[in-house]
Amino acid sequence: AAGVIQSPRHLIKEKRETATLKCYPIPRHDTVYWYQQGPGQDPQFLISFYEKMQSDKGSIPDRFSAQQFSDYHSELNMSSLELGDSALYFCASSLAGVNTEAFFGQGTRLTVV
Amino acid sequence: GESVGLHLPTLSVQEGDNSIINCAYSNSASDYFIWYKQESGKGPQFIIDIRSNMDKRQGQRVTVLLNKTVKHLSLQIAATQPGDSAVYFCAENSDGAGNMLTFGGGTRLMVKP
Repeated sequence: AAGVIQSPRHLIKEKRETATLKCYPIPRHDTVYWYQQGPGQDPQFLISFYEKMQSDKGSIPDRFSAQQFSDYHSELNMSSLELGDSALYFCASSLAGVNTEAFFGQGTRLTVV
Repeated sequence: GESVGLHLPTLSVQEGDNSIINCAYSNSASDYFIWYKQESGKGPQFIIDIRSNMDKRQGQRVTVLLNKTVKHLSLQIAATQPGDSAVYFCAENSDGAGNMLTFGGGTRLMVKP
């Protein structure tokens, strides 16, 4: 069965650079979520989209932005990268509705040096 | 693969024994709870969920117990196997209108053969 696809799997950037992470949801899923997981930390919710509109916003820094496109894939854009942005970034997708199961991708490991 | 949860509480059990992993959640208004399993280098994987109108739910080899009075969740794994070794997170959905999850602290389960 198709799962959530994230690219790239690994990314190394220097401080103050920009990064773009991509997420391709499970077919027919119209809702996408982004989470950040630092070393030894719980996943922290960043932002979500439903039908290309932002639906919820969590602890996403102003330096980050995201969008969902007409094909439902999503991109997380990160600018002015800081060392503290080094983390695993997970995307999850689900069908719309309350308390529907969210399926997570394999994540993108971002390392800022 | 990457190691997740370098400084997490660890539960070590013998293969074949039962495991109990506990979690305290934060929001008394939360109405939906999920247990996720996260293996090294992978995204969280759904195990079992429970709604706030229930206090127990069983799956295959897993049982989730919910105690709303003390805001406590537990995950019981029967006949623990080496493949169960992972970090386990509980998550709660408290926003009422979508699926923004708040993850609790993870527990690393180590199964000794």
